[in-house]
Amino acid sequence: NAGVTQTPKFRILKIGQSMTLQCAQDMNHNYMYWYRQDPGMGLKLIYYSVGAGITDKGEVPNGYNVSRSTTEDFPLRLELAAPSQTSVYFCASSYSPVSSYNSPLHFGNGTRLTVT
Amino acid sequence: AQTVTQSQPEMSVQEAETVTLSCTYDTSESDYYLFWYKQPPSRQMILVIRQEAYKQQNATENRFSVNFQKAAKSFSLKISDSQLGDAAMYFCAYKEDQGAQKLVFGQGTRLTINP
Repeated sequence: NAGVTQTPKFRILKIGQSMTLQCAQDMNHNYMYWYRQDPGMGLKLIYYSVGAGITDKGEVPNGYNVSRSTTEDFPLRLELAAPSQTSVYFCASSYSPVSSYNSPLHFGNGTRLTVT
Repeated sequence: AQTVTQSQPEMSVQEAETVTLSCTYDTSESDYYLFWYKQPPSRQMILVIRQEAYKQQNATENRFSVNFQKAAKSFSLKISDSQLGDAAMYFCAYKEDQGAQKLVFGQGTRLTINP
């Protein structure tokens, strides 16, 4: 059971470049999330999905796009990379809504992105 | 925008003792939820305790309890009879009542249990 798998682990982008952060889970979870964590700060929600074909904006969605064509995959797209997007990105999934007991949020190992 | 602040990057406590982790938040809403999550090295974020803002009574889950001060916008977590398995990162989080899945997290506090 791999859990939540994120690729790549590290990436350096030039300003204006595009890339897709991949996220896959094998636990048949309906709920999936993308967070970013800046140094010394808490996790900020970028986008989330409550099931295949359904996505919604989180707290900091500008500059990002997502899609959820399957239950397993939830890729995050950066179209025009900016230095402000330098951060560590975490994908997460859960079986039930985030405020539920006995339904942990499973996190991936993160992607460290630097935009220069 | 709502913010959640945990001012203690690290805390340590002797096994079997009691420790309190601090959390403050800022919001203009009157109805919301507050949470404490535990994240062990496995990277799962496990819900420890939940408090609804409309409830005056502090939530309790076994050895875990909170001190919810709505006027002061404070939400501390008390762990009684600390156990080695309590060692983890602890995150305070906020969710608007109508906010679906939008959790706002604090920076986290790393808790060490000394045997």
